Amino acid sequence: EVQLLESGGGLVQPGGSLRLSCAASGFTFNNYAMTWVRQAPGKGLEWVSCIATSAGSTTYADSVKGRFTMSRDNSKNTLYLQMNNLRAEDTAVYYCAKDIGDLRWNFDVWGRGTLVTVSS
Amino acid sequence: EIVLTQSPATLSLSPGERATLSCRASQHIITYLVWYQQKPGQAPRLLISDASNRATGIPARFSGSGSGTDFTLTISSLEPEDFAVYYCQQRSKWPLTFGKGTKVEIK
Repeated sequence: EVQLLESGGGLVQPGGSLRLSCAASGFTFNNYAMTWVRQAPGKGLEWVSCIATSAGSTTYADSVKGRFTMSRDNSKNTLYLQMNNLRAEDTAVYYCAKDIGDLRWNFDVWGRGTLVTVSS
Repeated sequence: EIVLTQSPATLSLSPGERATLSCRASQHIITYLVWYQQKPGQAPRLLISDASNRATGIPARFSGSGSGTDFTLTISSLEPEDFAVYYCQQRSKWPLTFGKGTKVEIK
């Protein structure tokens, strides 16, 4: 079964850091681009970042550029999102999702999400 | 950034009725438009890729059309499980952007 499982969310103070992980299974992880998408409570979807299969190419939303770093370890079938200097407006459920191919930017498999709450 | 405007915000319909959802892009995006369905407490589900290609396992009652700036998701006959929020997403230019969603609710 194709599956993505996020972890690492929690409560953090403004200015703090968290690292999210996304464990992939059931497919050849290194053949697919991946993305992080977030959803603030009661709000719509917001794209955060994407990474190509080679891990050499990442792209970020302006709202997180310079604070978030997306990476992947193809040997561990795991995706990461390092989040630094967190702000209240980063509070959201963070989903990782799998591209339908490499650089297609359509996402056909999603994790259940992990909640990040930024509050003092 | 490409802005996607979805309308209406809410669509109140009965099971068996036809649903027509609109997504308008602020720039031409050819057919680089994706549709997702999201139910409460669940992750989004891919419905339609590249404006009109149904994803694997998506019932034939879902169809997508359009090109350029105007796109439509049609649900030919609503089933009880189709009441949800629907989002469009463009993949033409960075940053990827989503519309604000259309909620299809039971009338």
